[in-house]
Amino acid sequence: DTAVSQTPKYLVTQMGNDKSIKCEQNLGHDTMYWYKQDSKKFLKIMFSYNNKELIINETVPNRFSPKSPDKAHLNLHINSLELGDSAVYFCASSQDWTYEQYFGPGTRLTVT
Amino acid sequence: AQKVTQAQTEISVVEKEDVTLDCVYETRDTTYYLFWYKQPPSGELVFLIRRNSFDEQNEISGRYSWNFQKSTSSFNFTITASQVVDSAVYFCALSEEGQGGKLIFGQGTELSVKP
Repeated sequence: DTAVSQTPKYLVTQMGNDKSIKCEQNLGHDTMYWYKQDSKKFLKIMFSYNNKELIINETVPNRFSPKSPDKAHLNLHINSLELGDSAVYFCASSQDWTYEQYFGPGTRLTVT
Repeated sequence: AQKVTQAQTEISVVEKEDVTLDCVYETRDTTYYLFWYKQPPSGELVFLIRRNSFDEQNEISGRYSWNFQKSTSSFNFTITASQVVDSAVYFCALSEEGQGGKLIFGQGTELSVKP
């Protein structure tokens, strides 16, 4: 019954590796997002998708590539991981820009 | 440029005290939405309230209340008779028309309620 789910919840990996985080929502929302929360708890948008189409790419390095196979899924693939990528990544969804966003539980990524 | 400022980084109160969390925003748009989210120690982000720019009515939900004032670009959040379970980081956020739903978050206010 989880509205927005993410896997995995924790991800520990070494520099240079490639990893993916999956996100699924069962709310029937048209818009999905990825946010990054840094060690100081600051939340910043990375990407926004509407009906599988990229709407926002907030000056995120090319190493980050989102993929939306359908409206209910928005996955995040990260190439050549760097120490600075360590953060909590949140997926979210909403009906449209005027409505509240529902967030997944977050994925804590640690790059060593 | 759009911006959200939560000047209070940390607030500590004793249970049953009232506490107000401040939020000031900047936008050039006339149509926008404001939100509050709660992030308890468990880490999830919980939606609390949404308010559009045309509705300046204050809102009360149980012990929570919100005061929206366009004249001062503020959207403050008050918890009445605080409880230990209110301990969390609280975020104010702004969404503007034509920005793809991007939420601009404030820095967050960490509220600690001591028994």
